[in-house]
Amino acid sequence: GAVVSQHPSWVICKSGTSVKIECRSLDFQATTMFWYRQFPKQSLMLMATSNEGSKATYEQGVEKDKFLINHASLTLSTLTVTSAHPEDSSFYICSARDPSSGNAEQYFGPGTRLTVT
Amino acid sequence: AQSVSQHNHHVILSEAASLELGCNYSYGGTVNLFWYVQYPGQHLQLLLKYFSGDPLVKGIKGFEAEFIKSKFSFNLRKPSVQWSDTAEYFCAVTSTGAAGNKLTFGGGTRVLVKP
Repeated sequence: GAVVSQHPSWVICKSGTSVKIECRSLDFQATTMFWYRQFPKQSLMLMATSNEGSKATYEQGVEKDKFLINHASLTLSTLTVTSAHPEDSSFYICSARDPSSGNAEQYFGPGTRLTVT
Repeated sequence: AQSVSQHNHHVILSEAASLELGCNYSYGGTVNLFWYVQYPGQHLQLLLKYFSGDPLVKGIKGFEAEFIKSKFSFNLRKPSVQWSDTAEYFCAVTSTGAAGNKLTFGGGTRVLVKP
């Protein structure tokens, strides 16, 4: 099956710094990737849809200048949390659609746990 | 906008008991339905999915779900659970309309199976 990886799996950073998280589709080309955020003991909330070669589409309430998304290739999307603050600490998960599958199934990465101190 | 509701936040049961987790969605158009499982410390895994056809869908690890369009429901079932089924279960929906293929997740149900 389709595999999606994320790097790093966990990161600790100081308040005010920026952190980049990578999401890769390993065995398929993903024109669309999605970024989710999951708070402890809560569900996944879609942050943005990342489209290869164009600007990301952000969900209501998500600051696009704070959560920078770049989808420069068909296998890589990055999420940069700029000027991170402790309230940005969360579990960030990406997913990708395989357009060749002809359906809406998304394949999820293992997630990145961000802790801002 | 579409939304997904999972009625049970926590379920505790013993091994060999039957499990049913409720999921209702709100969206008037055509939907694709999913159940995902997240084992402790692991990432989301797809249990099963419904796109069209037979409304009774069988997934991995003995799980099944039934799509009842008239009730906007997609309940997950397993006849006999094992301790290893302890996990969090998420129902999710994508629409084929204007919302595109965005997944909307329910709040999740945390299942604890006692050995």
